[in-house]
Amino acid sequence: DARVTQTPRHKVTEMGQEVTMRCQPILGHNTVFWYRQTMMQGLELLAYFRNRAPLDDSGMPKDRFSAEMPDATLATLKIQPSEPRDSAVYFCASGLVRVREQFFGPGTRLTVL
Amino acid sequence: EDQVTQSPEALRLQEGESSSLNCSYTVSGLRGLFWYRQDPGKGPEFLFTLYSAGEEKEKERLKATLTKKESFLHITAPKPEDSATYLCAVIIQGAQKLVFGQGTRLTINP
Repeated sequence: DARVTQTPRHKVTEMGQEVTMRCQPILGHNTVFWYRQTMMQGLELLAYFRNRAPLDDSGMPKDRFSAEMPDATLATLKIQPSEPRDSAVYFCASGLVRVREQFFGPGTRLTVL
Repeated sequence: EDQVTQSPEALRLQEGESSSLNCSYTVSGLRGLFWYRQDPGKGPEFLFTLYSAGEEKEKERLKATLTKKESFLHITAPKPEDSATYLCAVIIQGAQKLVFGQGTRLTINP
């Protein structure tokens, strides 16, 4: 049963600390997306990659967030330094360009104190 | 600006009581409309894709329809296990990214 995996599932950290979230997309999918979900804003797209190349990161605060795909099986989202307003659930999703449906992982719940 | 609006925000029904959820959109060139289901503590789960006005898709007790301005998710004789948040999203022309609505939180009471 192919699925997107994310680690860690939960993260509690203090303001100013670096946070790294990891995602393993479904094997064979060539697009990867990072979303953030909060009660106030709902689901917001932060960044997405196609064939490991970043295509759009306009939803991401550039000064503290960075997203990379070191290889086809790993995507990372890093926050440095973290702030309390970054507290949210971060989802990774993957898909195939032609199909367009996106398959979401279980999310990383981040709490910044 | 591309917008997706879902209504109502929350809906409570009795088991077996059919109803519809609405997703209205104002986008510059719709390339696809998607419905997702999200259970608490989990990621959204894909349900349907609709591409053109008049198109309909069905899955068990759910049926999704699309017009030029909105989509409906019809729920027929719902069961408690249909309780979830239902999200609507669109892909606009020239982009691969989804723009999500705020969701409708559906509760089905036994």
